[in-house]
Parts: sequence; C-alpha cells; structure tokens
Amino acid sequence: DTAVSQTPKYLVTQMGNDKSIKCEQNLGHDTMYWYKQDSKKFLKIMFSYNNKELIINETVPNRFSPKSPDKAHLNLHINSLELGDSAVYFCASSRRTTGNTIYFGEGSWLTVV
Amino acid sequence: AQKVTQAQTEISVVEKEDVTLDCVYETRDTTYYLFWYKQPPSGELVFLIRRNSFDEQNEISGRYSWNFQKSTSSFNFTITASQVVDSAVYFCALSEAVGSARQLTFGSGTQLTVLP
Repeated sequence: DTAVSQTPKYLVTQMGNDKSIKCEQNLGHDTMYWYKQDSKKFLKIMFSYNNKELIINETVPNRFSPKSPDKAHLNLHINSLELGDSAVYFCASSRRTTGNTIYFGEGSWLTVV
Repeated sequence: AQKVTQAQTEISVVEKEDVTLDCVYETRDTTYYLFWYKQPPSGELVFLIRRNSFDEQNEISGRYSWNFQKSTSSFNFTITASQVVDSAVYFCALSEAVGSARQLTFGSGTQLTVLP
C-alpha cells in the first residue's frame, strides 16, 4: 500500500493557469510537508503543516497556497502559473516527535509551457 | 543556519567496485539527525538511514554502510560491491527543529553511475 501518495504524477499546463496537486498519507503521521526540487535536483522545503496548522512557510510566492483539510491530506494550489514554477513537487509526512523520519511521495512533475 | 555539503557532484564506477559518498554538515544544534535518501532514475525519494547525533556507531545494512564522525562533522556512505541498480542520486540531509516542527536541509546530491 502506498504510504504517501500524490496526484497527478505528471502535469503539463500553460502559463497563467491555476492547478492543484493533491497529497494523502496513510501512515498516521501528524505532520506533512511540501518540498520543491528544481532542475538542478536541489530540494528545498516550501511548507509544513502539523495537525492542519501551518508551521513552516518558507519564502515562496503568494501564488502557492497549501490547504490541509485534515491531518492526512495536504494539497498544494498554485495560481497564475509561471514558467519558473516548472519543477518536481514532493509531498512528505512524518511524526511530530523529534528526529522522526520524513517519508516522501513519488513526486509530481509540473511543466509550465 | 545549517548546511549540508556533498562535494562530489558525480561519481562513476564500474560494477563490483566499492564507492564512498561524502557528506559534511554544519549545525549549531546539539541534538540533530542525519539522513541519507536515494533518488533512482524513476524519481521517487527513498529513505535509507537515519542517525541521531548521540549515536556514533557505524551501521551496516547489506552492501551499505555509514560512517558517522562527529569530530569531523561527516556522515559518509559506502556501497560495497556496487551494482548497476545502485545508479541514482544520493542525498544527505540534516534535520533541524523549526518551532514545533522539524525540517530537512538537503545537500545538493551526488549522482552515482555504476557501469556494467
């Protein structure tokens, strides 16, 4: 069974569109994350939610808005997509307790044309 | 701010060779956690190991072994008798506390290519 699942896996869309990536985890974790991997493979955190509360909000454009309807889901909505938003977006989850392993989804490849 | 350095951008070896991937970190935390993740060509991020700062014992798991040296702030990863399936990007990461959460700071990754 998939532990952290995100959809869609591939997304090609035009500049200016609005799109969402959904994420669900069935691990019983209380903390979820969104990470972005750029074309050079560099991974950087975007957001972190704990029990539906926003904990970490790195410097990302306001066009990116995470939404956590419950602690098993963390969706990422992106408005007015730009070419520079093309990247792989990884959802992840962990237990809140110190040092717990963060498990990642399979990634969503977003291409803006 | 913490930092993770993987100085080897790309490594290429022939199958059955041993290879070591280097990781050097910086942190002011006294308690911290180090990780290695593997990203195969299919793109997913696979957890390999977690090590806390109080446990300096080396660990071996099959052909994989990890050498944690607090004195040199290094957490190196060795693959013994490499195989073609080991070809992937390997990331070292450091976990820090941010408020009530923790976040991972990743190194830039090492692309390992194992040739048949």
